[in-house]
Amino acid sequence: GAGVSQSPSNKVTEKGKDVELRCDPISGHTALYWYRQSLGQGLEFLIYFQGNSAPDKSGLPSDRFSAERTGGSVSTLTIQRTQQEDSAVYLCASSSPGGTALYEQYFGPGTRLTVT
Amino acid sequence: AQSVAQPEDQVNVAEGNPLTVKCTYSVSGNPYLFWYVQYPNRGLQFLLKYITGDNLVKGSYGFEAEFNKSQTSFHLKKPSALVSDSALYFCAVRDMKYIFGTGTRLKVLA
Repeated sequence: GAGVSQSPSNKVTEKGKDVELRCDPISGHTALYWYRQSLGQGLEFLIYFQGNSAPDKSGLPSDRFSAERTGGSVSTLTIQRTQQEDSAVYLCASSSPGGTALYEQYFGPGTRLTVT
Repeated sequence: AQSVAQPEDQVNVAEGNPLTVKCTYSVSGNPYLFWYVQYPNRGLQFLLKYITGDNLVKGSYGFEAEFNKSQTSFHLKKPSALVSDSALYFCAVRDMKYIFGTGTRLKVLA
């Protein structure tokens, strides 16, 4: 079965440009999460979508960051006016609303963003 | 506020020896606790979870973890380490969103 997919896998951009990162969660998973992982570091929570509820945006580091989730499925994380400190691996995860896999997060392979 | 602490940045253990990776937590209410593993150049994978029930939970690859409410701990254990267990391990707690620890790098020496 298909897992969580993310695109692009790598993105190199110039400082000041906007970037869009895409996440395609597992079908039927109502919860979707975005995290940021700097080199060899822990996971920093960014934003959380649950069904049709308003997203929890409490982890977004600045107003340059935004995310949306269309139709309860695919999500896009947008970073405007990128800065060098935005360089990191951006991870997406989804989780099931019930069953034996309740609350287990399934992670995508990530998008490695490099801002030059 | 919810929090998770992994006090060791790195744990070294000889192959065949038992391993423990420590995790303590702070939550209001009943904790939902998780361990994830990140192998080199691979994505994060779920290992095991504690939601309710038995304090000793078993997961993938022979790992287990013990939930200790009085010590607010959820240490990851394995009776006999393998070189292939070398990876970055994350403890996490869930309260709608997830809070991850800073990670512990496990190195199993041959």
